[in-house]
Amino acid sequence: NAGVTQTPKFQVLKTGQSMTLQCAQDMNHEYMSWYRQDPGMGLRLIHYSVGAGITDQGEVPNGYNVSRSTTEDFPLRLLSAAPSQTSVYFCASQQGAITGELFFGEGSRLTVL
Amino acid sequence: DAKTTQPPSMDCAEGRAANLPCNHSTISGNEYVYWYRQIHSQGPQYIIHGLKNNETNEMASLIITEDRKSSTLILPHATLRDTAVYYCIVRSYNAGNMLTFGGGTRLMVKP
Repeated sequence: NAGVTQTPKFQVLKTGQSMTLQCAQDMNHEYMSWYRQDPGMGLRLIHYSVGAGITDQGEVPNGYNVSRSTTEDFPLRLLSAAPSQTSVYFCASQQGAITGELFFGEGSRLTVL
Repeated sequence: DAKTTQPPSMDCAEGRAANLPCNHSTISGNEYVYWYRQIHSQGPQYIIHGLKNNETNEMASLIITEDRKSSTLILPHATLRDTAVYYCIVRSYNAGNMLTFGGGTRLMVKP
């Protein structure tokens, strides 16, 4: 199993550009989520999904869209990138029950100029 | 979810036990205590979790006080590879996939 795979690992954008961060998991997990981590800080939840076709907002959803058309994939879209979105983005998945552990990807480092 | 308080940093000698404290005085009855760690800039790694009883796995032990207002993560024989930021998280049954990460404790294991 590859676990949670994120692409790209690094990306530089100009203000106003759009892009999609990809996240895929091969563990058949129901729950998937996106976090961002700014320098020296903990992770903050952007969006999450409890199953295919179901998404919800987290702590910092503004400027981001998500969709969950399949169990495996949970892409994060930036429609109009802003310098404030410069961060490291982590995708995570979990089997489903509250006591399940989260499995994180290796992160995608995004810089918006 | 209840908030947690952790010291910002700690040092530990290699081979000794590392005891990382966490206060969660507002924890409610259905909230679990989770510990994750983040090595350098990698994705966080699950360590252990518990509700009331003490827990142990191959990585660590979790000691939760009887009133559940605080807990301690114990790495029994710290190695240099245990140098990381350790996050204590309290999570409710209804939180879904949400984990609220605080600042964590930066553990430095020294030779």
